[in-house]
Amino acid sequence: GENVGLHLPTLSVQEGDNSIINCAYSNSASDYFIWYKQESGKGPQFIIDIRSNMDKRQGQRVTVLLNKTVKHLSLQIAATQPGDSAVYFCAENTGGFKTIFGAGTRLFVKA
Amino acid sequence: GAVVSQHPSRVICKSGTSVKIECRSLDFQATTMFWYRQFPKQSLMLMATSNEGSKATYEQGVEKDKFLINHASLTLSTLTVTSAHPEDSSFYICSATPGQGGVYYGYTFGSGTRLTVV
Repeated sequence: GENVGLHLPTLSVQEGDNSIINCAYSNSASDYFIWYKQESGKGPQFIIDIRSNMDKRQGQRVTVLLNKTVKHLSLQIAATQPGDSAVYFCAENTGGFKTIFGAGTRLFVKA
Repeated sequence: GAVVSQHPSRVICKSGTSVKIECRSLDFQATTMFWYRQFPKQSLMLMATSNEGSKATYEQGVEKDKFLINHASLTLSTLTVTSAHPEDSSFYICSATPGQGGVYYGYTFGSGTRLTVV
């Protein structure tokens, strides 16, 4: 079936650098794409979402880019901090409320 | 706002017993709630969609008689793992949305329940 996948399973960055986490999706009918952060032993925490009719959306220190031509989604974190260390999931919502998660990328921030 | 409380956070049970997990929306009415399970180092897999006042919709491959879902009010959904076995050990997570009618409103997740079946 349709799924959302990730290019990189792990990412290690130096504190203060920018991080880019990538995601490939396969369902061109998805309406919304969402990024979640999950810390160990906790539920996912919403970071930012983007509607399918947009190609860029910015939040506080985060930017999500959507390229529908190649079905690619990315999350950019500016000035990465130790507190950003976690697993990041992209997810897609195709109406009817179903949110399907990708495989996840673990981000390590080196002090 | 939009807080979802999940209880218990951890539970250990004996094989063959049943375990109930609660998911509550604390400051909004959740028309729809979702149950996920997550194995170590894996993604969240949607198990079922729980709609207030109606039967849950299960994803393919999820046994509805094994994982009983009840959504009796707009603020509470429960997942009961019946006749639990060690392979049911997992991290169970709920999420809730006030949305309905197929409109995306965003979701809030509970903090998860670590189930260990011994």
